Amino acid sequence: GAGVSQTPSNKVTEKGKYVELRCDPISGHTALYWYRQSLGQGPEFLIYFQGTGAADDSGLPNDRFFAVRPEGSVSTLKIQRTERGDSAVYLCASSLMVRSSDYNEQFFGPGTRLTVL
Amino acid sequence: GIQVEQSPPDLILQEGANSTLRCNFSDSVNNLQWFHQNPWGQLINLFYIPSGTKQNGRLSATTVATERYSLLYISSSQTTDSGVYFCAPPEWGNTPLVFGKGTRLSVIA
Repeated sequence: GAGVSQTPSNKVTEKGKYVELRCDPISGHTALYWYRQSLGQGPEFLIYFQGTGAADDSGLPNDRFFAVRPEGSVSTLKIQRTERGDSAVYLCASSLMVRSSDYNEQFFGPGTRLTVL
Repeated sequence: GIQVEQSPPDLILQEGANSTLRCNFSDSVNNLQWFHQNPWGQLINLFYIPSGTKQNGRLSATTVATERYSLLYISSSQTTDSGVYFCAPPEWGNTPLVFGKGTRLSVIA
């Protein structure tokens, strides 16, 4: 597709359950980012991948959160033992990171709205 | 880490009016993006502007990196301009973006 896609668009789950959120980046983009946006706030960084490896996971709030990108394209954000405080919109972005330059424009998907009851 | 402040936090405009949104950041940056988050939550890229001035239709942006601020100009505003405008530089280098709290714009007919 032309842009970043995310599935599902909405996810309602019960406290304590496990959820997976999927991101499909723009074709050819090597860098992939996960952000989380709470109501009335700007997005906050969670983790980013350069290729298959997590280059920086310092934004993950705790060890219940984990993300993978096994083939360097699609990524899955996994949340174990969900809590009500995890409710937010989870955004994915990708960029064509060019190491030889500073150019790194990020493009965002439509997000997954997670509601934990 | 880098701090990003946006002003004003809220803005109401009559259709056709012009406005300037400001973004201050606490450290030097090598790139900066402006986004429009529409009422459906989609972040739309407006400008990638490490320095200088760019124009796209009724919108233009200026970044003065040495003075650590960027401005977004909206001219002849339309109701479809409503939403939240974010500026976002990276923490450093090409790392993930740091967002301000945004400016919520409402354009009324």
